[in-house]
Amino acid sequence: AQSVTQLDSHVSVSEGTPVLLRCNYSSSYSPSLFWYVQHPNKGLQLLLKYTSAATLVKGINGFEAEFKKSETSFHLTKPSAHMSDAAEYFCVVSYFNKFYFGSGTKLNVKP
Amino acid sequence: EAGVVQSPRYKIIEKKQPVAFWCNPISGHNTLYWYLQNLGQGPELLIRYENEEAVDDSQLPKDRFSAERLKGVDSTLKIQPAELGDSAVYLCASSPGGTVEGNEQFFGPGTRLTVL
Repeated sequence: AQSVTQLDSHVSVSEGTPVLLRCNYSSSYSPSLFWYVQHPNKGLQLLLKYTSAATLVKGINGFEAEFKKSETSFHLTKPSAHMSDAAEYFCVVSYFNKFYFGSGTKLNVKP
Repeated sequence: EAGVVQSPRYKIIEKKQPVAFWCNPISGHNTLYWYLQNLGQGPELLIRYENEEAVDDSQLPKDRFSAERLKGVDSTLKIQPAELGDSAVYLCASSPGGTVEGNEQFFGPGTRLTVL
């Protein structure tokens, strides 16, 4: 069975400090993994995706994520938070066109 | 390239009334999804189409919800009759389909439904 656990429902950081959003997955198969971002009253936008190539994946807006099979993790990071990063972030695992969403992490960025 | 189009963007109805949502996926995308998103939660799959066939509708409340994807392109999701608990955002997404590794979903802006 496939599932996704986002370990923090809320994360608060100061502008200019690093961001870490944690995601663990379980999958019976080699998964595809994604991070999506949702700004208030907007649709979901793809940040980055992992297939089976490089384990360190770079996405848009300076975000990156590292696939660690031994830890079944796919944590999202950014070296320096910007006010515009305040949004909700969803970790997603996919297998054969089925997508399983985490419950989301709300990122708050303080000035 | 146009993205996933949904209409209407907002809908306010009274309970027991019917409502319909429309989605036009990205051209050439065979797989279409309808999700329900409650406030503060992640999207929950309602139904998935591969072309015109509904291949996963196990989470669709079939007593009041119905969906169709005639000709395997655009799709309509209907609720009849609507209940107060149906207030949510209804998201449509599409993906190229097939078994390509790393197929991603492209989401529309959603329809925010308010049932009074």
